[in-house]
This record gives sequence, structure tokens and C-alpha cells, in this order.
Amino acid sequence: AQSVTQLDSQVPVFEEAPVELRCNYSSSVSVYLFWYVQYPNQGLQLLLKYLSGSTLVKGINGFEAEFNKSQTSFHLRKPSVHISDTAEYFCAVSDRSAGGYNKLIFGAGTRLAVHP
Amino acid sequence: GAGVSQTPSNKVTEKGKYVELRCDPISGHTALYWYRQSLGQGPEFLIYFQGTGAADDSGLPNDRFFAVRPEGSVSTLKIQRTERGDSAVYLCASSRGSPGNTIYFGEGSWLTVV
Repeated sequence: AQSVTQLDSQVPVFEEAPVELRCNYSSSVSVYLFWYVQYPNQGLQLLLKYLSGSTLVKGINGFEAEFNKSQTSFHLRKPSVHISDTAEYFCAVSDRSAGGYNKLIFGAGTRLAVHP
Repeated sequence: GAGVSQTPSNKVTEKGKYVELRCDPISGHTALYWYRQSLGQGPEFLIYFQGTGAADDSGLPNDRFFAVRPEGSVSTLKIQRTERGDSAVYLCASSRGSPGNTIYFGEGSWLTVV
């Protein structure tokens, strides 16, 4: 069975500092990888996804993530955060071969708190 | 509307009552998903529809939960004999049918069972 571990439940950071949100997954098969963001009182929004090709994936709002197959990781990074990046971030994985659809398995989330 | 629409946005019900939650996916999306998100947790998969049929219902917690999508568009999640442990946000999502396509989520229906 697949699982996703987000190693930090909360990450406090000052505005304009860099940030890394960690994600590790467990799977015996090839996977697709996703990061979603959930702003207060809003639905989940896709930040970026890895399907194939380059292991460095760029997403919206200046975020990027790197797929590392040997370490089964997909860490999310941003070189300089803004107050508006304060939100809950979820890493998710789906099985490439799962009958032609995305059954997303989510981590527990990381709350990013950006302070002035 | 352009996004996934869910109604009601909030529902408070008494233990033992029956509840229906509705989802209107993005037009043209054949794949529809239901997830449940408890406080402090990530979303958990409940069920997946491709068209009108439930292709994967492995996440439904027990037989009190049932979902339908009779015309391949709007879906309804039905919960019988609600329990306090059913309190959560129920998220609906849709996508085009192929794997890897972006899954778009609605804002959820907050269910509180008292």
C-alpha cells in the first residue's frame, strides 16, 4: 500500500526567507506526485505535479519541487516566502498503473506560517 | 460555474439522521471523486466514479455510506444513521478521465453530527 509522510506538521518562517516542506512516500510501484495548497476557508488548489521527465518541477506562486526516486522524496521549496503563502500544504501520491485514474493518497499536511 | 460546486457548505445534523451531500463537477469532467478530511488530517479517498459507475468504492468506511452519479454529472453522497465520528469536511473533486490529469477540488461540505 502507498503512504505519504510529511515530516513537519508546522513550519514557522520569516517573510522573504527560503522554505522547504518535506515529503516522503512509500510505494512499490511507479507513482505520480502532487503538492496541493489549502488557504483558510478555501478548497485544495494544485501547486504542481510530477508525471515524468525532468525531476525538477516548477509550479504556481514561485514554488518548485524535486523528485528524488532513490530517496522516495518530493520536497517543496520556495526561495523567498510572502505572508500570503501562509496556508496548509499537502503532498499526495497516486499509482501510475491504477486502472487509468488518480487515486490520491495524501499526507497529513504541513502548516506553513509566515511571520513579518 | 467554472469550478466544482458542493452543497450544502455547512450541515449540522443530529446523531442517527440521514444526510445527503451534493457535488456538481466541472463541465466535461468524466472522473469524479469523494474524499473526507477530518480535523488536522489530510483528505482520505472514499469513492471514484468514471461516468455513471462507481469504479472504486474501496474507501467507503462502512455500509452507511453510499454515493450515486445517475447521469454521469452531479453526484450525491448519502450517509445513513449518522454518528458523531462522521463529522468532517467532505470534499468532491473532478478531472478529465486520464491518469495524471489535474484533479480539481470543491470547497467542501462541513458536516457536524451532534
